[in-house]
Amino acid sequence: QKEVEQNSGPLSVPEGAIASLNCTYSDRVSQSFFWYRQYSGKSPELIMSIYSNGDKEDGRFTAQLNKASQYVSLLIRDSQPSDSATYLCAVTPSGGYNKLIFGAGTRLAVHP
Amino acid sequence: KAGVTQTPRYLIKTRGQQVTLSCSPISGHRSVSWYQQTPGQGLQFLFEYFSETQRNKGNFPGRFSGRQFSNSRSEMNVSTLELGDSALYLCASSLAAPEREQYFGPGTRLTVT
Repeated sequence: QKEVEQNSGPLSVPEGAIASLNCTYSDRVSQSFFWYRQYSGKSPELIMSIYSNGDKEDGRFTAQLNKASQYVSLLIRDSQPSDSATYLCAVTPSGGYNKLIFGAGTRLAVHP
Repeated sequence: KAGVTQTPRYLIKTRGQQVTLSCSPISGHRSVSWYQQTPGQGLQFLFEYFSETQRNKGNFPGRFSGRQFSNSRSEMNVSTLELGDSALYLCASSLAAPEREQYFGPGTRLTVT
């Protein structure tokens, strides 16, 4: 079992729709969770961080964390073609300081 | 505030050579982490430095090493390069507290021929 798992996609959504990206993790005591966006040929860009159960909203982005189910998700409302990128879920394992374990990423394609 | 900077941006080396990559963190950030990104393995953690000390290390051979200077700048070194070391090497910086947000630099694209 991989430590952090994501559906590789591509996830294709029409412009203006909600894109839902999912991630599961295996370390039950992980405390810190992050979503990064990576455009082709670029480095990862931090979108959201979430540390406690529930929802966290920032603009068009909402991160959701459920530690009991070991599940974290990212919702993108009013998706735009500029949102087309690979979205990486990252988790810090227990006692991992600043070590990030990444999922393989989900490719999102937003079509006009 | 300036972001994380990495030099050089592109590098071509021959198998068997060694290489040194440099990273300057965001001002005020004292933790620097290094990652390797390849199409096959994705993003993998190499090591993290804080206050000139390696605080955590990933599962890479001893050919991969790093260090951090008193101004928080960091370098990583790869000795005896192999073809499989061709990758994008990313540096990320964060504040001192563990498990906080990390911000990535643009990366160094290393090609080993």
